[in-house]
Amino acid sequence: GAVVSQHPSRVICKSGTSVKIECRSLDFQATTMFWYRQFPKQSLMLMATSNEGSKATYEQGVEKDKFLINHASLTLSTLTVTSAHPEDSSFYICSARDELSGANVLTFGAGSRLTVL
Amino acid sequence: AQSVSQHNHHVILSEAASLELGCNYSYGGTVNLFWYVQYPGQHLQLLLKYFSGDPLVKGIKGFEAEFIKSKFSFNLRKPSVQWSDTAEYFCAVNRPDSWGKLQFGSGTQVVVTP
Repeated sequence: GAVVSQHPSRVICKSGTSVKIECRSLDFQATTMFWYRQFPKQSLMLMATSNEGSKATYEQGVEKDKFLINHASLTLSTLTVTSAHPEDSSFYICSARDELSGANVLTFGAGSRLTVL
Repeated sequence: AQSVSQHNHHVILSEAASLELGCNYSYGGTVNLFWYVQYPGQHLQLLLKYFSGDPLVKGIKGFEAEFIKSKFSFNLRKPSVQWSDTAEYFCAVNRPDSWGKLQFGSGTQVVVTP
């Protein structure tokens, strides 16, 4: 079945630095990928939709300059948390759909846990 | 705004007991409904989904869910749980024209004791 891989799975950084998280669809192509965020003991919240070859679309309240998304190929989307601060510490999860399969369901990555000191 | 409510935050039950997790959504139009499971240390996995048709949906691992349109509900059930069902369960909803934009419930942590 469809597999979505995220890297790194865990990252710790100092406040003010930038962190890049990669999301790859391993055995399928995805023109669209989705980035979610999960705070401890809370649900997943959609942050943005990553569109291959065009700009990402962000949900209300998500700072596009803080969370830079690049979808440079049909199998890779990256999320860069710029000038990270402790409040950005969270679990970031990406997802994608195998569009050629016709299955209208999302496959989720294992997530990337960001801790900003 | 569309919202998804899961009534139970924590459920503890013994093996072989029956499980029912409630899920209600607020959106009044046509929706797609999902239940996802997240086992400890693993990624979200799809248990089952409802798009249309028979409101009783059967998923993997013996789970089923019933869509009751009049109640805006999509409750998850399993007649007899196993220790391996210990996990967090998320209900999710999206509109058919926004298939990737899921609205998740807050999740229910289920612990099954031997």
